[in-house]
Amino acid sequence: DGGITQSPKYLFRKEGQNVTLSCEQNLNHDAMYWYRQDPGQGLRLIYYSQIVNDFQKGDIAEGYSVSREKKESFPLTVTSAQKNPTAFYLCASRKQSADQPQHFGDGTRLSIL
Amino acid sequence: GQNIDQPTEMTATEGAIVQINCTYQTSGFNGLFWYQQHAGEAPTFLSYNVLDGLEEKGRFSSFLSRSKGYSYLLLKELQMKDSASYLCAVRAGNTGKLIFGQGTTLQVKP
Repeated sequence: DGGITQSPKYLFRKEGQNVTLSCEQNLNHDAMYWYRQDPGQGLRLIYYSQIVNDFQKGDIAEGYSVSREKKESFPLTVTSAQKNPTAFYLCASRKQSADQPQHFGDGTRLSIL
Repeated sequence: GQNIDQPTEMTATEGAIVQINCTYQTSGFNGLFWYQQHAGEAPTFLSYNVLDGLEEKGRFSSFLSRSKGYSYLLLKELQMKDSASYLCAVRAGNTGKLIFGQGTTLQVKP
C-alpha cells in the first residue's frame, strides 16, 4: 500500500545528543514537510522540500536540520542546539498540484531523558 | 502577518449538527484545508476550498468566504467517533506551505 512511514514511533534523547527521525514515502510525491506539534497547539512548520536536493526553512528551523538526497526520503535531525525538543513530530508529503492536500505520517513522539 | 483563529473547544450531542468556525488573515491566499486529528494520531484530510461557497462531502461540509476571511466546517448527524480536534489550515503562495490554526477540540456526548 502507498503511504508515508515515520520511524521510530517513540524516541528518547539524552542531553547533548543529536537524534534523527525518519520519513519515507512511496506516493511519488515531490514535496515533503516536517511539522512540530506541542500539546494543545497547531502544527508549526520546521522545514520543507519541493524537490530533491533542495529544501527551505520553515517558521521554527533553529536547532533542526534536514536532507533530501532521494525523492522518497526526508529525514529530520534534532540537534543538541534545540533546547526544547519534546514534541510530536509529523512528516507530510504532497503531489505538486494546486488542489492536492498534504498527507501525513503517523508521527514520532520525542521526549528528553 | 498571518493569523488563523478557531475556537479552542466545543461540545455537541450525538446526532446533532455542529459548526466549527475559522477566521484568517493572510496575504497570497491560495486555498483552505480542514483536517481531523484524533488524539495521538496523524491529521487526516477532510476538505479543501479555494473558491467561495460550500463543498459537501457526506456528513461533512465546508464553506469559504474569501472577502470575509472566513470558513466553517459543518458536521451533521454527529457520531461519537467524531470526537477529535479539527484543524483549519490556510495555504499562502505556491509552495504548498500550510499555516495551521491551533485546532478545535470537539467532544461529542451521548
